[in-house]
Amino acid sequence: AQSVTQLGSHVSVSEGALVLLRCNYSSSVPPYLFWYVQYPNQGLQLLLKYTSAATLVKGINGFEAEFKKSETSFHLTKPSAHMSDAAEYFCASERRGAQKLVFGQGTRLTINP
Amino acid sequence: SAVISQKPSRDICQRGTSLTIQCQVDSQVTMMFWYRQQPGQSLTLIATANQGSEATYESGFVIDKFPISRPNLTFSTLTVSNMSPEDSSIYLCSVGSLEGGYTFGSGTRLTVV
Repeated sequence: AQSVTQLGSHVSVSEGALVLLRCNYSSSVPPYLFWYVQYPNQGLQLLLKYTSAATLVKGINGFEAEFKKSETSFHLTKPSAHMSDAAEYFCASERRGAQKLVFGQGTRLTINP
Repeated sequence: SAVISQKPSRDICQRGTSLTIQCQVDSQVTMMFWYRQQPGQSLTLIATANQGSEATYESGFVIDKFPISRPNLTFSTLTVSNMSPEDSSIYLCSVGSLEGGYTFGSGTRLTVV
């Protein structure tokens, strides 16, 4: 069955430091992959998506993610954290043609001043 | 991307009662999706709603508990029936995006007392 695993339910970094949020998928065929952000008391906002074009995907707010088939990973990175990046981040996968998202458990990102 | 309006944004309900959540999209869409986010948890798909046909429910969700209407291509409702405290969650509707990925409403925060 399709699944998504996010390593680390909480990640804390200092302002200006590198942000790395980990996501691994389980699927025999590479799925579509997404990163969403959820700010407190808000819905989900799409940060970026992988749909089998370039393996390095750039998103909004300076985030990017790299699809690595050999590692079944789609980790999210940002070179320099900003206080406004504090939020919950969800990795999700979609089996091609399924039109159904499977979400990871989420990672809460805290930014220390 | 489509803009989704979801109402109510939050509600506190007595156990045993029902709540109907509305989702309005600013453009016509074929499929609408309803998700549940339990406290501190990730998102789980409840059902997929196509206009003109019965909703398709995921494992663990039944129509008697979560009846869904889809009267036209821009609107859907989800009813949470005979509520118990375990139904306290955030409920979100979602639609597919032409650019790939999915757009989410801001969610309905339900507390059952």
